[in-house]
Amino acid sequence: NAGVTQTPKFRVLKTGQSMTLLCAQDMNHEYMYWYRQDPGMGLRLIHYSVGEGTTAKGEVPDGYNVSRLKKQNFLLGLESAAPSQTSVYFCASRVTGLGQPQHFGDGTRLSIL
Amino acid sequence: RKEVEQDPGPFNVPEGATVAFNCTYSNSASQSFFWYRQDCRKEPKLLMSVYSSGNEDGRFTAQLNRASQYISLLIRDSKLSDSATYLCVVTGGGDSNYQLIWGAGTKLIIKP
Repeated sequence: NAGVTQTPKFRVLKTGQSMTLLCAQDMNHEYMYWYRQDPGMGLRLIHYSVGEGTTAKGEVPDGYNVSRLKKQNFLLGLESAAPSQTSVYFCASRVTGLGQPQHFGDGTRLSIL
Repeated sequence: RKEVEQDPGPFNVPEGATVAFNCTYSNSASQSFFWYRQDCRKEPKLLMSVYSSGNEDGRFTAQLNRASQYISLLIRDSKLSDSATYLCVVTGGGDSNYQLIWGAGTKLIIKP
């Protein structure tokens, strides 16, 4: 059981380049989330999805876009990467219902030069 | 004021000691509470959910005080492997109950 899988694990980009981070979960979870984590800070929510075909903005959505065409996949896109987007990105998913915890992928370390 | 506040530490504790962390949250409508553990450069992992009546899982005890809006985590007989950052997490409350609000974490270092 793979759980939540993120690809790639590491990436270095130049300013202005674009890329897509993929999150895949095999637990049939309805909810999926993208976070970024910077040194000394808690996780900050970028975008989230409460079901296939639906997405919503989180706390820090600017500069990112997402898509959830299939229930098991949640894609995070950077159209024009900026150095401020250098961070560790985590994807998470969970089942519906009150009190359900989130399960995380092992992260993508992204550096923008 | 941050929505979830934690003492960043680090807490330097000798092996075998008992250590406690507190966390305060600002949204009285929050309904679910968790402690996660995060090792350096790794993903957060669920340590335990926190229930109103308090709950225990081995050496770990979590308490919730809704009136004062704080959550605590107690670790007894600490082990070297307990060294990590502990993240306090609450749900957003109301229509945002599917979102989690994360504290910045408390760093714990267990020394031999």
